[in-house]
Amino acid sequence: DAGVTQSPTHLIKTRGQQVTLRCSPKSGHDTVSWYQQALGQGPQFIFQYYEEEERQRGNFPDRFSGHQFPNYSSELNVNALLLGDSALYLCASSLSGSYGYTFGSGTRLTVV
Amino acid sequence: AQSVTQLGSHVSVSEGALVLLRCNYSSSVPPYLFWYVQYPNQGLQLLLKYTSAATLVKGINGFEAEFKKSETSFHLTKPSAHMSDAAEYFCAVRNNNAGNMLTFGGGTRLMVKP
Repeated sequence: DAGVTQSPTHLIKTRGQQVTLRCSPKSGHDTVSWYQQALGQGPQFIFQYYEEEERQRGNFPDRFSGHQFPNYSSELNVNALLLGDSALYLCASSLSGSYGYTFGSGTRLTVV
Repeated sequence: AQSVTQLGSHVSVSEGALVLLRCNYSSSVPPYLFWYVQYPNQGLQLLLKYTSAATLVKGINGFEAEFKKSETSFHLTKPSAHMSDAAEYFCAVRNNNAGNMLTFGGGTRLMVKP
């Protein structure tokens, strides 16, 4: 049973560019959450998607947007990249109403 | 809003010694609490979780944590450290009032000396 799959694993982008990160949730899970983990810090909640809609959002600017597809997979888009967007981006899937969260291995984004 | 504080960004123990990683939370409602471990260049792996059942929670790899409401604490312990326990550990609280997002502490890096 595959867990959460994220792609790509590493990415280097230039300031001002746009990036799309992808996440496939664990089989049976219908909710996807995205977290940003800066170096040396704990993960920070970006937003959560359920039934193809953004259900909850953390304190992140509108440059961060997302999407969930009918098969529950999700994308995180970041526009106008800043150096400060360099981080590990983690995707976590869960089944709505449950307490179990499964995290992927993350995408390491470096903005130069 | 819920919050989590992890005391000690770095903890160093000798192999075979007791591991104690501290976590205090702030929550206006009974919390759901979690401990995760992160190895270098990897995602988060769940060690254990408290969901208002038994206050002493046993997890994987010999770790356990005790929920103490009076102290608003959920400290992680392991009787005997192994070299393989060296990693970053995160305590998290689920924000029940605002959906089920997780709020994480800043993390504690555990170093195990031979």
